Amino acid sequence: DQQVKQNSPSLSVQEGRISILNCDYTNSMFDYFLWYKKYPAEGPTFLISISSIKDKNEDGRFTVFLNKSAKHLSLHIVPSQPGDSAVYFCAAIIQGAQKLVFGQGTRLTINP
Amino acid sequence: EPEVTQTPSHQVTQMGQEVILRCVPISNHLYFYWYRQILGQKVEFLVSFYNNEISEKSEIFDDQFSVERPDGSNFTLKIRSTKLEDSAMYFCASSKLNAGTGGNTIYFGEGSWLTVV
Repeated sequence: DQQVKQNSPSLSVQEGRISILNCDYTNSMFDYFLWYKKYPAEGPTFLISISSIKDKNEDGRFTVFLNKSAKHLSLHIVPSQPGDSAVYFCAAIIQGAQKLVFGQGTRLTINP
Repeated sequence: EPEVTQTPSHQVTQMGQEVILRCVPISNHLYFYWYRQILGQKVEFLVSFYNNEISEKSEIFDDQFSVERPDGSNFTLKIRSTKLEDSAMYFCASSKLNAGTGGNTIYFGEGSWLTVV
């Protein structure tokens, strides 16, 4: 089941620069997307979400972009900080459904 | 900030034994979920629960699994006869609204790490 894919298992970015995490999906029924951050031995923490009726949502240093025609979304973090080092999961859901479908995650490392 | 709490944080059990994982969802939430993550794999949906019944379950959630809300605060996942492949981190989650509602947030607990030997 590869409905949500994060093709980069890891990403390394210098502190202060922009981090861009990518996510692709195949199910055109998905209409709500979320990003979660996860530290080792902790549960996923909600970061930001976007509905399919929008193409951008911003919250502080975090911006999510959605390209519906390409079935692609991305999370931008700017400026990146050492505390942003974690695994980032993209998740998608059909509105009205119960089940979040997660990507494999991307491990982001912010280097000082 | 309110949080979902889970116990135990880590449990080791022998194959064939029954395990109960416990969760206290956020108090004003109505929708409850269990997810799991096998080491090195994706976070996978197991089951959702609303109004004292299962509202959706995945193919993973077979007859060995059950969920219960025994009182007003706890939400439990029972695995009747554990198998080696049940070893995973199990996450409880809760939300105020239906998972797929725009603008709704699903909050996850810190997880219970189950090791079946």
